[in-house]
Amino acid sequence: NAGVTQTPKFRVLKTGQSMTLLCAQDMNHEYMYWYRQDPGMGLRLIHYSVGEGTTAKGEVPDGYNVSRLKKQNFLLGLESAAPSQTSVYFCASRRDTGVTYEQYFGPGTRLTVT
Amino acid sequence: GQQVMQIPQYQHVQEGEDFTTYCNSSTTLSNIQWYKQRPGGHPVFLIQLVKSGEVKKQKRLTFQFGEAKKNSSLHITATQTTDVGTYFCAGPSSGGGADGLTFGKGTHLIIQP
Repeated sequence: NAGVTQTPKFRVLKTGQSMTLLCAQDMNHEYMYWYRQDPGMGLRLIHYSVGEGTTAKGEVPDGYNVSRLKKQNFLLGLESAAPSQTSVYFCASRRDTGVTYEQYFGPGTRLTVT
Repeated sequence: GQQVMQIPQYQHVQEGEDFTTYCNSSTTLSNIQWYKQRPGGHPVFLIQLVKSGEVKKQKRLTFQFGEAKKNSSLHITATQTTDVGTYFCAGPSSGGGADGLTFGKGTHLIIQP
């Protein structure tokens, strides 16, 4: 099992450009999440999905869109990148057991917007 | 909204010394999780605590969940260089946890050999 994978690993964008970050998991998890991590800020939830075809906003959703067309994939889109979106983006997934809430994280995407 | 506060932000210790990080939530938590992130890496799940007053041990690591389920701590005995990293506590954002985690800002553990 590869677990949670993210592509790309690094990306540099100019202000106003768009891009899509891909997250894939092979653990058949129902729930998937996108977080961003900034220095001194911990991790903050952007959007999440509780199943194929469903998405919901997290703590910091502005400027991002997401889609979950297939259970194993969760895409994060930036339509018009801004320097404030320079960050490390982590995708995570978890199983719906109703008891344990352990999240499995991908390796991250480091995005710089100039 | 819910806030999870963690102290200290940085902790420098000599190898072999003990280390403790503390976590406080503004609301009662159904559970609390702890994650470790090595420099340049991604968060890795360490443990989940669910019961009031719960204490769990993993080798040199001891995790506690407060009686009121609003605070938690992680204690490492006799630190080793492999313990270097940032330790995060996290609680469910709301309800049953389907909607992600609210993380503390983390405690960076720096070990001097």
